[in-house]
Amino acid sequence: ETGVTQTPRHLVMGMTNKKSLKCEQHLGHNAMYWYKQSAKKPLELMFVYNFKEQTENNSVPSRFSPECPNSSHLFLHLHTLQPEDSALYLCASSQTSGSSNEQFFGPGTRLTVL
Amino acid sequence: AQSVTQPDIHITVSEGASLELRCNYSYGATPYLFWYVQSPGQGLQLLLKYFSGDTLVQGIKGFEAEFKRSQSSFNLRKPSVHWSDAAEYFCAVGAGNDMRFGAGTRLTVKP
Repeated sequence: ETGVTQTPRHLVMGMTNKKSLKCEQHLGHNAMYWYKQSAKKPLELMFVYNFKEQTENNSVPSRFSPECPNSSHLFLHLHTLQPEDSALYLCASSQTSGSSNEQFFGPGTRLTVL
Repeated sequence: AQSVTQPDIHITVSEGASLELRCNYSYGATPYLFWYVQSPGQGLQLLLKYFSGDTLVQGIKGFEAEFKRSQSSFNLRKPSVHWSDAAEYFCAVGAGNDMRFGAGTRLTVKP
């Protein structure tokens, strides 16, 4: 595997379910990101991890819970989501966090909340 | 706070025609500027970036962008569009620990 991978690619869940999104980067980077991409809206940065430490939580509701066990893996745990949470969730990584660092993106997980 | 505006939601051009996608940013200092492309079902791929120096930046797939400080703009151009360029294009500004993206411009290419 190369680059940034995300699983699953598609997920349908009910509002009472608990699920997790997984992201893995094979680039030797130290920073990882979660973004939400909704139709007709700019990408929304959700969380930033730098050297496994969370450095940014962009006012994300607690029903989204990130986990970064090491610099290569990032999870997004989901519980009691709302239909408006349906979106494409993109994971990205960069050498370190910081505005000058190019971010490499995974293909995303298309989430539908029923 | 930094922000990015892409005034055109959707642009249609004929194959072989030239292309310019507009991007305006708001930031107090010299920003780091990026253009990404997203094909259907894919993540974002970096086309080019500007940090400093020459204000005309060359990227992949024949794209270029010009940084104009006086206009707070970083427009993306391509002299001759190919059908495979149909995608969504995002301008982004990096500052601090953050990167802000524009809402995107969808490009349709007519045969």
